[in-house]
Amino acid sequence: GAGVSQSPRYKVTKRGQDVALRCDPISGHVSLYWYRQALGQGPEFLTYFNYEAQQDKSGLPNDRFSAERPEGSISTLTIQRTEQRDSAMYRCASSLGLAGALGNEQFFGPGTRLTVL
Amino acid sequence: AQSVTQLGSHVSVSEGALVLLRCNYSSSVPPYLFWYVQYPNQGLQLLLKYTSAATLVKGINGFEAEFKKSETSFHLTKPSAHMSDAAEYFCAVSINYGQNFVFGPGTRLSVLP
Repeated sequence: GAGVSQSPRYKVTKRGQDVALRCDPISGHVSLYWYRQALGQGPEFLTYFNYEAQQDKSGLPNDRFSAERPEGSISTLTIQRTEQRDSAMYRCASSLGLAGALGNEQFFGPGTRLTVL
Repeated sequence: AQSVTQLGSHVSVSEGALVLLRCNYSSSVPPYLFWYVQYPNQGLQLLLKYTSAATLVKGINGFEAEFKKSETSFHLTKPSAHMSDAAEYFCAVSINYGQNFVFGPGTRLSVLP
């Protein structure tokens, strides 16, 4: 596609439910990143992939959060047993080259706004 | 660990006036620095980046930023504001070129007619 797309754009769920957020990167981009952005704050790094391999998940808040990118393209961020504090904008980005390569630029999607009631 | 502070969560300027958005960082190693802009309902867009080459960096839409190591600053400027510049601006630091960014809290820029 022309840019990074994310779905759904808005998700409202009840506390305790599991949610899956999808990111479709720009075609051909090898690296994919997940961020969480609370209201009034900047994005906070969660995790990233080079191809299908998860390279760094140090930003995932706890073990209820997981991400996968099984075929090196689309990625899913899953939050199990959601809590109200998980409410935020979840942003995905992709880059053409490998993460950490000089000159690489991350292109961001519009985000998924998650509300946990 | 790295951190970013942005002085002023909201800045208002008149159309045609100078835009100055402040960013200070802390990093134990030489950093890479970035400015992103976020328009409503859109993703973040890269404005410019500092990668240890020239200290004065020019970006898109007439914006530029100067890296000042002695002041640990990377302030964003534009000589003349346009209405279309109204958006939220984020400064970010990375020590490994974008494997994981640390973003500041953002500054919302309003441009008054």
